[in-house]
Amino acid sequence: EAQVTQNPRYLITVTGKKLTVTCSQNMNHEYMSWYRQDPGLGLRQIYYSMNVEVTDKGDVPEGYKVSRKEKRNFPLILESPSPNQTSLYFCASSPREGREQYFGPGTRLTVT
Amino acid sequence: QKEVEQDPGPLSVPEGAIVSLNCTYSNSAFQYFMWYRQYSRKGPELLMYTYSSGNKEDGRFTAQVDKSSKYISLFIRDSQPSDSATYLCAMSGSGGYNKLIFGAGTRLAVHP
Repeated sequence: EAQVTQNPRYLITVTGKKLTVTCSQNMNHEYMSWYRQDPGLGLRQIYYSMNVEVTDKGDVPEGYKVSRKEKRNFPLILESPSPNQTSLYFCASSPREGREQYFGPGTRLTVT
Repeated sequence: QKEVEQDPGPLSVPEGAIVSLNCTYSNSAFQYFMWYRQYSRKGPELLMYTYSSGNKEDGRFTAQVDKSSKYISLFIRDSQPSDSATYLCAMSGSGGYNKLIFGAGTRLAVHP
């Protein structure tokens, strides 16, 4: 089944404790992206990747890091999480930039 | 002015009604148009994907694009309680307008 998977689905952590949210897709897509979704603010892009080893900032990159060492994986790293990063996070993949994106199930992160 | 405008609703309709969801946009370079459905706390799911102007039908769903008016619509016929969700429009262009831009989403409630 073609899909985007994310782990963990739920995470509660404390300020400053480094964490990684994994994302994997099995559709051989070149383009991958991370979004956060907050009430009233919609989907906001954090980082994206056009291909292996090619990443760039989205609209709200502060406090986040990404890497793309393999085509299928695109982890999101929060080196020192803060309460304002409490949000619902989505990973998405697409055959290419600007085309239809396929979303993962989401990761609900709470930072206390 | 936002590039993509979408009324947040909520829109409440009785079961069986025809639902019309709309987005307007300002960038005439947009030519790829999508509609996503998002159930509460789930990832957005691609519903419809159209290129340029015209209509596309898939079961009870019809997507319509009017590029001259910079207006896109999603019609849902014979609406069901299971259609209750948030619907997001998204669009992109080519050249320097590759980035997929999302609307804020319209919340729809279909009551029995």
